[in-house]
Amino acid sequence: GAGVSQTPSNKVTEKGKYVELRCDPISGHTALYWYRQSLGQGPEFLIYFQGTGAADDSGLPNDRFFAVRPEGSVSTLKIQRTERGDSAVYLCASSVTTGGFHEQYFGPGTRLTVT
Amino acid sequence: GDSVTQMEGPVTLSEEAFLTINCTYTATGYPSLFWYVQYPGEGLQLLLKATKADDKGSNKGFEATYRKETTSFHLEKGSVQVSDSAVYFCALSHNQGGKLIFGQGTELSVKP
Repeated sequence: GAGVSQTPSNKVTEKGKYVELRCDPISGHTALYWYRQSLGQGPEFLIYFQGTGAADDSGLPNDRFFAVRPEGSVSTLKIQRTERGDSAVYLCASSVTTGGFHEQYFGPGTRLTVT
Repeated sequence: GDSVTQMEGPVTLSEEAFLTINCTYTATGYPSLFWYVQYPGEGLQLLLKATKADDKGSNKGFEATYRKETTSFHLEKGSVQVSDSAVYFCALSHNQGGKLIFGQGTELSVKP
């Protein structure tokens, strides 16, 4: 079956611009996670959804970052007024439901470069 | 807060050598522990996991034992292959929620 997909695979934007990153989870997975991975580092948690609601957004670095999942499937991570420090690979993962027992399946990531 | 620390890489080994990648964690309660692997050009994928103390996770010849007394989850393989070259990440999550907290990753390079 289809895995987690993310679009675009690469995004180059200028400092100050707005960007949207999309994640399509595995069909039927109710939990969806966003992570950010800087070069040479492990992924860092941003936010996760159970269904349509954000269950934990404690990892969002500031109010320029926002994520939605209006129908409980596709999610969009939105970054306003981008800064060069936002450059990273943004990873999305989904799992059957939340809980540490359940495997998270990762997408290939979106590489964001802010110039 | 919770954290995971891995041995620094890169680790370079010859084929058929024994592999150990150290991982220690700091966490409240009893988290689940994971090893994820990222092969060149591919996404993160789960290699193995252990959900309670003294559990041993194993897959593809790799294994790791959840040691609560030493807060460790070291990854081992008896005989590595060139195809094992990848970046390995140790991670933990709590059963409530399930967000993963990752170590910084250890790059493994296996030479023929």
